[in-house]
Amino acid sequence: AQSVSQHNHHVILSEAASLELGCNYSYGGTVNLFWYVQYPGQHLQLLLKYFSGDPLVKGIKGFEAEFIKSKFSFNLRKPSVQWSDTAEYFCAVSPLSSNTGKLIFGQGTTLQVKP
Amino acid sequence: DTGVSQDPRHKITKRGQNVTFRCDPISEHNRLYWYRQTLGQGPEFLTYFQNEAQLEKSRLLSDRFSAERPKGSFSTLEIQRTEQGDSAMYLCASSSSGGSNQPQHFGDGTRLSIL
Repeated sequence: AQSVSQHNHHVILSEAASLELGCNYSYGGTVNLFWYVQYPGQHLQLLLKYFSGDPLVKGIKGFEAEFIKSKFSFNLRKPSVQWSDTAEYFCAVSPLSSNTGKLIFGQGTTLQVKP
Repeated sequence: DTGVSQDPRHKITKRGQNVTFRCDPISEHNRLYWYRQTLGQGPEFLTYFQNEAQLEKSRLLSDRFSAERPKGSFSTLEIQRTEQGDSAMYLCASSSSGGSNQPQHFGDGTRLSIL
């Protein structure tokens, strides 16, 4: 079955620390990859996406992610986090074979940044 | 920004009652999705519409659940004979046509609590 696994459920960092959130997916075919973020009290928002080409993609607010096909991974990184990055982060995949664009989400990682 | 709108934001009801939620997608979006999110988990796909046609339903969508999008604009999700396990956040998302690489825009969700 298709699944997405996020390694860390709860991460606590101090401001200016570097961030890396792990994401692995289980699917044999071609997928589109996404990271969504949900700030407290807000709806899910797209952080970045990968469809093809350069496996290193840059998103909003200084986030980037690297697709490593051989490892079925799409890890999210930020060199220096800010207090305002406190949020829940979701990795998601969309199998091209489904043709619907439906998203399969990981369980999410709660990031708490201490000022 | 007239994003995806969901109504109501919260619904509390007794077990066995029927409930209906409404989603108004972004106006030019012809793709509409429903997801369900329980505490500590990522959203799970329920169903997908392209215009007024319901093209995919998850196994999660039991016979008590029905969704419609009668004119290809707003959508409703009805749950009949609600059960305790139906307590969750119900999310609606929309996207434009163009395949699975079109990002989905999410609403704030309807939180359902079953007493």
